[in-house]
Amino acid sequence: GAVVSQHPSWVICKSGTSVKIECRSLDFQATTMFWYRQFPKQSLMLMATSNEGSKATYEQGVEKDKFLINHASLTLSTLTVTSAHPEDSSFYICSATRVRPQETQYFGPGTRLLVL
Amino acid sequence: GNSVTQMEGPVTLSEEAFLTINCTYTATGYPSLFWYVQYPGEGLQLLLKATKADDKGSNKGFEATYRKETTSFHLEKGSVQVSDSAVYFCALSANQAGTALIFGKGTTLSVSS
Repeated sequence: GAVVSQHPSWVICKSGTSVKIECRSLDFQATTMFWYRQFPKQSLMLMATSNEGSKATYEQGVEKDKFLINHASLTLSTLTVTSAHPEDSSFYICSATRVRPQETQYFGPGTRLLVL
Repeated sequence: GNSVTQMEGPVTLSEEAFLTINCTYTATGYPSLFWYVQYPGEGLQLLLKATKADDKGSNKGFEATYRKETTSFHLEKGSVQVSDSAVYFCALSANQAGTALIFGKGTTLSVSS
């Protein structure tokens, strides 16, 4: 099946620093990728839709200047958490959409961020 | 708007018990429906899906039937195992190009031997 990877899988950083998370579709091209956030024991909340070659579309309440998304190629989207604070600690999950043979989303394994 | 409602957990069962996790949805048009499983410390894995009314998705002994008349997609398994302990998410896709999945809140299943 299709594979989506995320890197890193775990990151611990100091408050005030920036962290970049990569999401790659390994065996297909994805014009659309999604970034979700999952708090402990809660569901996935969509943060933003990342479209290759254009600006990301953010969900209401998500700060675009804090969560920078760049979809520079058909196989890579990055999420940068800028000036991270402890409340940004969470599990970040990306998904990539494969269009053929039918539109299907494939999820990455997630990145656990801990901000100290 | 579109939404998914799952039964509250946690669900605690003994091995070989019958499992039902209820899921209902609200959607316009004809969504596709999914069940995802998340094992401790891991990402989401697609468990099964159904793309149209009366379709039954099945995998690893789990099954769910897309019921349009009751707007439901309940997950069932006849005999659970300890290894089935995980969080289960019901989700829908509006089947519009470029739209994200909408997830329920998740139901934690704990199976003891």
